Amino acid sequence: AQRVTQPEKLLSVFKGAPVELKCNYSYSGSPELFWYVQYSRQRLQLLLRHISRESIKGFTADLNKGETSFHLKKPFAQEEDSAMYYCALSGRAGGGADGLTFGKGTHLIIQP
Amino acid sequence: ETGVTQSPTHLIKTRGQQVTLRCSSQSGHNTVSWYQQALGQGPQFIFQYYREEENGRGNFPPRFSGLQFPNYSSELNVNALELDDSALYLCASSADLGSYNEQFFGPGTRLTVL
Repeated sequence: AQRVTQPEKLLSVFKGAPVELKCNYSYSGSPELFWYVQYSRQRLQLLLRHISRESIKGFTADLNKGETSFHLKKPFAQEEDSAMYYCALSGRAGGGADGLTFGKGTHLIIQP
Repeated sequence: ETGVTQSPTHLIKTRGQQVTLRCSSQSGHNTVSWYQQALGQGPQFIFQYYREEENGRGNFPPRFSGLQFPNYSSELNVNALELDDSALYLCASSADLGSYNEQFFGPGTRLTVL
């Protein structure tokens, strides 16, 4: 069965410090990995996906198949980065659908 | 461009009742996925509809059913409600099948079962 694990429920860092949100996955094939973000009072939205290999809002994430990880990183945290972050996997969950399997999320708080 | 909308915003039901939640997909999108998000958890995939047909299902019992209409809007129906069905129900639409198509989420419907 596929699974996404985010070990930190809460992560608090100071503004300007580096940020790393951890994500590990379990999947027997070649997964597609995503990071979704939910800012306060806003809806869930895509932050980035591994296949694009892009940097969004200064965040990057590298898929490490050996360690089955997809950690989200940013070198210098900003206060507006405070939000709930979800790692998600698309691995044809059930019957060929493209449903996403989400982790439980990490609440990132950036302190001034 | 209109985003994904869901109705109602909040709903309170009692155990054993039935509920219908509605979702209007983003303009031009033909694929709708439904998720259940319990408190403190990540969203959990219920099922996906593509061009009015169920395209796949997560680990949910048959009392969770759905429909997609010709205009690609969708309904989630839950029969014989249980206390554990209390959750935020999210709908997401995408332009087509394939995980490379971004899923755009609605604001959710908060269901409370008493």
